[in-house]
Amino acid sequence: GQQLNQSPQSMFIQEGEDVSMNCTSSSIFNTWLWYKQDPGEGPVLLIALYKAGELTSNGRLTAQFGITRKDSFLNISASIPSDVGIYFCAGQRGSTLGRLYFGRGTQLTVWP
Amino acid sequence: DTEVTQTPKHLVMGMTNKKSLKCEQHMGHRAMYWYKQKAKKPPELMFVYSYEKLSINESVPSRFSPECPNSSLLNLHLHALQPEDSALYLCASSEVGTSYRSRVFGPGTRLTVL
Repeated sequence: GQQLNQSPQSMFIQEGEDVSMNCTSSSIFNTWLWYKQDPGEGPVLLIALYKAGELTSNGRLTAQFGITRKDSFLNISASIPSDVGIYFCAGQRGSTLGRLYFGRGTQLTVWP
Repeated sequence: DTEVTQTPKHLVMGMTNKKSLKCEQHMGHRAMYWYKQKAKKPPELMFVYSYEKLSINESVPSRFSPECPNSSLLNLHLHALQPEDSALYLCASSEVGTSYRSRVFGPGTRLTVL
C-alpha cells in the first residue's frame, strides 16, 4: 500500500515563481526518485537520489535526499508554463527489490 | 536508445475480446515492469520480470497474463476484461542489482473496456 506522504496535493502559481514540494515516509528508503507526468503520457524521471544528504540539480530543478532517509524535497525555480503536470515522488527500500512506493502526486498549474 | 516504447497507444476492447499490449526497450535493462494507472493516481505495480523470469505478481487477476519472450520485449495478454480495468497501462524497465534503480517508463497504452 501507499507509504509516502506527498504534499501539497496541488499548487496554482504565477509564472516565474519558485515551487517546493516534499515527500515523507515512516520507513527508511535507500533511493528517492522524482517524476513528472503529462496527461496521457508516462512518467518521466527528473532526478534520482541515492545517498542520504545528497543534493542534485537538473536545470531549474533541485532535489534533496533527507539525512534521516525518510524524506525528500523537490524545488523548481522560476517556473514556466511547460512545468504544468503531475509530479510524483517515489522511494525504494533495499528489502523490496523491484517495488517503488509512490506518493499521491502534486498537480502543478502555472498561470502565465 | 534510451527509451521504452509501447504499442498500441490506444486500445478499445469488448469484455469478450482477447488483445495484447507490447513493450520494447533496447537499453540492456534486465528488469521490466507492468503498471496500471488510473486518472490522477500514482502507478500501481502489477508484474516484475527479472532476467526474463516473473519475480513479482502483485495478486493481479488471471485475466491479465504477462509474457517476457526475451530481454527486450514484454507483453501483457488481456482476456475477458471488465470495464473497471480501463486505465493507462505503463511498461517500465530498469537495471537489476543493488536496488533496481532509475526506472524508465514508456508512454503507456490507454485501454478502454466496453
